[in-house]
Amino acid sequence: EAGVTQFPSHSVIEKGQTVTLRCDPISGHDNLYWYRRVMGKEIKFLLHFVKESKQDESGMPNNRFLAERTGGTYSTLKVQPAELEDSGVYFCASSPRDRGNYGYTFGSGTRLTVV
Amino acid sequence: GENVEQHPSTLSVQEGDSAVIKCTYSDSASNYFPWYKQELGKRPQLIIDIRSNVGEKKDQRIAVTLNKTAKHFSLHITETQPEDSAVYFCADSGGSNYKLTFGKGTLLTVNP
Repeated sequence: EAGVTQFPSHSVIEKGQTVTLRCDPISGHDNLYWYRRVMGKEIKFLLHFVKESKQDESGMPNNRFLAERTGGTYSTLKVQPAELEDSGVYFCASSPRDRGNYGYTFGSGTRLTVV
Repeated sequence: GENVEQHPSTLSVQEGDSAVIKCTYSDSASNYFPWYKQELGKRPQLIIDIRSNVGEKKDQRIAVTLNKTAKHFSLHITETQPEDSAVYFCADSGGSNYKLTFGKGTLLTVNP
């Protein structure tokens, strides 16, 4: 089966610009997660979708971040306007409905650099 | 959940030696502890996990031990090989069935 796909793999943008990251989960996986790793630190939870519904967005840093999952398939994470501290690697993961955190498959991540 | 401390941040070993990475957690409700391996430029992949009703689990050269009383768990890799070189992340569930809290990662280098 195809894995979790993220693109772009790298993005370099200037402070104040907008960037949209995309994640295509494994087909049929109801759970979709976004995580972020800032340089040298832990991978931190951002939010969790079940199908198209946001179940937990407690990890979203602020209102400059907007995640969507229209139709319950792929998801986008938009950062607008981007700030320097938003730089990091953004990971998406998906899992089957009945597996939750026991069955994560991660994507390879998007490395975002804000200059 | 809450906080996971992982040590060491870097670890260098000779091929054939053992490597041990330790994590401590703070959330008493934690009941699931996975370990992920991330090779350079690749996605994090689950290599082994343990649930709170078990003290140890082995899979070939990899083992994980859990001490719930002390709230720590460890990854043990024996007979290390160069292809074991990667960043390893521990995580815990904090009692959640969907979210994970990760440690900061350990960069393991296995020297031929």
